[in-house]
Amino acid sequence: DGGITQSPKYLFRKEGQNVTLSCEQNLNHDAMYWYRQDPGQGLRLIYYSQIVNDFQKGDIAEGYSVSREKKESFPLTVTSAQKNPTAFYLCASSMGGSSYNEQFFGPGTRLTVL
Amino acid sequence: DQQVKQNSPSLSVQEGRISILNCDYTNSMFDYFLWYKKYPAEGPTFLISISSIKDKNEDGRFTVFLNKSAKHLSLHIVPSQPGDSAVYFCAASRRGGGADGLTFGKGTHLIIQP
Repeated sequence: DGGITQSPKYLFRKEGQNVTLSCEQNLNHDAMYWYRQDPGQGLRLIYYSQIVNDFQKGDIAEGYSVSREKKESFPLTVTSAQKNPTAFYLCASSMGGSSYNEQFFGPGTRLTVL
Repeated sequence: DQQVKQNSPSLSVQEGRISILNCDYTNSMFDYFLWYKKYPAEGPTFLISISSIKDKNEDGRFTVFLNKSAKHLSLHIVPSQPGDSAVYFCAASRRGGGADGLTFGKGTHLIIQP
């Protein structure tokens, strides 16, 4: 079964701690993305990667970091510099390239910083 | 500054009737548009898309219309079914195709009344 997995579903951390959210895909997609959703808001782009070992900042990258060492994996680290880290985080992937294509989303991780 | 706007936070429609969800955009560089459906605490699922070279795209009960001159698109669901109750997000691609991130509206909560 092809898809995107995010773990864990719920994550709690103390203020001031860094935390890393996992995202894995077995769709053989080149491109991967991280979005954040807050209550009553749409999804906002944090970082994206079009190819292994390369990534770009999205609209709200401050306080976050990513890596793309493998095609299947795109972990997101929420650092202590992120002022409002409590949110629902969504990972997505797409075929990438130059043709139009939709993004497929994982189930999300709800991060609560206490 | 919201580049993709969904001005109706919620919409209530009777089962069997047509649901019409609207979306406006401001960025002339957008040329690919998508609709996603989302249940609480889950990732969005792709519904239907349209590129700017078309003005209509149909898939079963779902039809998306694009009016480029008005920078407006709409999603029609006919007939509406109870399982259609969800939040619907309109999204746009920043430039033609490729692996850039999407820009989302804030969503419209569609409620199908029995």
